[in-house]
Amino acid sequence: GDSVTQMEGPVTLSEEAFLTINCTYTATGYPSLFWYVQYPGEGLQLLLKATKADDKGSNKGFEATYRKETTSFHLEKGSVQVSDSAVYFCALSELGGSQGNLIFGKGTKLSVKP
Amino acid sequence: DAGITQSPRHKVTETGTPVTLRCHQTENHRYMYWYRQDPGHGLRLIHYSYGVKDTDKGEVSDGYSVSRSKTEDFLLTLESATSSQTSVYFCAITPDIVQAQYFGPGTRLLVL
Repeated sequence: GDSVTQMEGPVTLSEEAFLTINCTYTATGYPSLFWYVQYPGEGLQLLLKATKADDKGSNKGFEATYRKETTSFHLEKGSVQVSDSAVYFCALSELGGSQGNLIFGKGTKLSVKP
Repeated sequence: DAGITQSPRHKVTETGTPVTLRCHQTENHRYMYWYRQDPGHGLRLIHYSYGVKDTDKGEVSDGYSVSRSKTEDFLLTLESATSSQTSVYFCAITPDIVQAQYFGPGTRLLVL
């Protein structure tokens, strides 16, 4: 079945460092891809999305490009802030089977130190 | 933010008791989902609904049932709670399966 693999955390960075969180996927067909962010004690918030190959999703300085040839959707940010500390989840939409179910990676915890 | 609320937000119960969690939306979205979040597992789908009275099972549906009698409400019931159902439960909604899902704030359930 469809699956998402993202890099194990935790990731600890200094403020203004460059961030990459790797995400690769396995899917039949052409799923939509998402990054969600979860701040402590809160629900998941959509960070960005891409619905087809070569699409770039972006929001709040974060970017990710849908790479069909490498089945990847890596999250990047050029200069992280302390306020970016959170858990980040990569996900794909499973278009077959459960209607629109999201398949999630296990999450990557990011801590940004001042 | 999408209009989605969950109740209760926290609950402690004992093994063997029934528990019902409520998800309420004000967006009139067709699709609603229940997930559970556990350390090391990310989020996993329990049940979902694609319309009033239309529901189906997800990956981890054993021990759970759902009902949707109105567009705005999606109920998750643990018929007889077990300690393995201690988790954080999230509801999500979307108007279309190719679009993003929007999540509620979660319910933290502890089964003693």
